[in-house]
Amino acid sequence: AQSVAQPEDQVNVAEGNPLTVKCTYSVSGNPYLFWYVQYPNRGLQFLLKYITGDNLVKGSYGFEAEFNKSQTSFHLKKPSALVSDSALYFCAVRDMGPDQTGANNLFFGTGTRLTVIP
Amino acid sequence: KAGVTQTPRYLIKTRGQQVTLSCSPISGHRSVSWYQQTPGQGLQFLFEYFSETQRNKGNFPGRFSGRQFSNSRSEMNVSTLELGDSALYLCASSMGLAGVDEQYFGPGTRLTVT
Repeated sequence: AQSVAQPEDQVNVAEGNPLTVKCTYSVSGNPYLFWYVQYPNRGLQFLLKYITGDNLVKGSYGFEAEFNKSQTSFHLKKPSALVSDSALYFCAVRDMGPDQTGANNLFFGTGTRLTVIP
Repeated sequence: KAGVTQTPRYLIKTRGQQVTLSCSPISGHRSVSWYQQTPGQGLQFLFEYFSETQRNKGNFPGRFSGRQFSNSRSEMNVSTLELGDSALYLCASSMGLAGVDEQYFGPGTRLTVT
């Protein structure tokens, strides 16, 4: 069965330090992976996606994510955190299945609240 | 290009009533998905429409239904409202299927059931 997990409800990091928000997934076929961010009082915004190709994906606002097939992970990273990065982050996965029809739903994780401390 | 719009933004209903929420996708987007967001359950997928056809459906009761029109606009209907239906309902549009192309989310409709 398809699923995605964000093991940490809350991540705190000091401004200027590197940050990591974790995501693991379970699919039967090939995964399409996404990260979205929800800032306070604003809608969800797309950050980056992995479809195929390089395992390191670069996205908006200096974020990047590394696809690790053996560990079934897609952790979100940023070298130097900003206070303005404080938000709720969601990982999402769609199981494209062996026939690549994408008939399965897009699943979102439960979200990780990132707080960057000045 | 205008973003995804949702109407109304806020809604208060009583138990047993029904409600219809509306979503206008970004021009040219053919896929519209609906999600329910609550503090306890996070973001849960309701359904996805692509070119007026329901492509996928989440694990919600039949009281939740939707449709998509030829101009890609979508409506979601919830009948016989329950207190537990209080949530932020988000609509998202994408060029292709959700989970293939990135989605653009609307601001949401906050539904309160009393």
